[in-house]
Amino acid sequence: GAGVSQTPSNKVTEKGKYVELRCDPISGHTALYWYRQSLGQGPEFLIYFQGTGAADDSGLPNDRFFAVRPEGSVSTLKIQRTERGDSAVYLCASTDPGQGIDEQFFGPGTRLTVL
Amino acid sequence: QQQVKQSPQSLIVQKGGISIINCAYENTAFDYFPWYQQFPGKGPALLIAIRPDVSEKKEGRFTISFNKSAKQFSLHIMDSQPGDSATYFCAASRRRGAQKLVFGQGTRLTINP
Repeated sequence: GAGVSQTPSNKVTEKGKYVELRCDPISGHTALYWYRQSLGQGPEFLIYFQGTGAADDSGLPNDRFFAVRPEGSVSTLKIQRTERGDSAVYLCASTDPGQGIDEQFFGPGTRLTVL
Repeated sequence: QQQVKQSPQSLIVQKGGISIINCAYENTAFDYFPWYQQFPGKGPALLIAIRPDVSEKKEGRFTISFNKSAKQFSLHIMDSQPGDSATYFCAASRRRGAQKLVFGQGTRLTINP
């Protein structure tokens, strides 16, 4: 596609529920990142995929958060037993370091609200 | 070691004026310093970026000034326009390895017509 796409654009859920957020990176981009942006703050790194594997998951806040990228393209961020503190905009970004590209291209984000 | 500090939090500039936003970093291993622009409801978009082998980079009305010894870098927007009103984030990363971006807290810029 022309850019990074994320679905859904908005997700409202109740405390304790399970949610999945999807990211479609730019075609051919091998590197994929998830960030979380709380209101009025800069994005914070969650996890990085190079191909299918999670090369760095040091930003995941706890074991309720998990992400996969089974075929090296689309990625899904999964949050179990959601808490009100998980409310934020979840951003996905992709890039292709193999082409010498430093820029990370961001999607529009998924706004998650946990009631 | 991972922090990037950004100031000011908000900035109001008259149309045609110069907008200046400053950032400071701690981790000397950082070697890539981008500035992102974000409009409400949108994801961040790269505005301009610099590597530490140069002290200044200019693209149109946007200039990054970089001071390696002070571990500081700044964004200058010349001839600021109302369409520049947005939130600006500085960031830093290492170009090798995970390349995960560490963002500043953001500056909400308002350009008055």
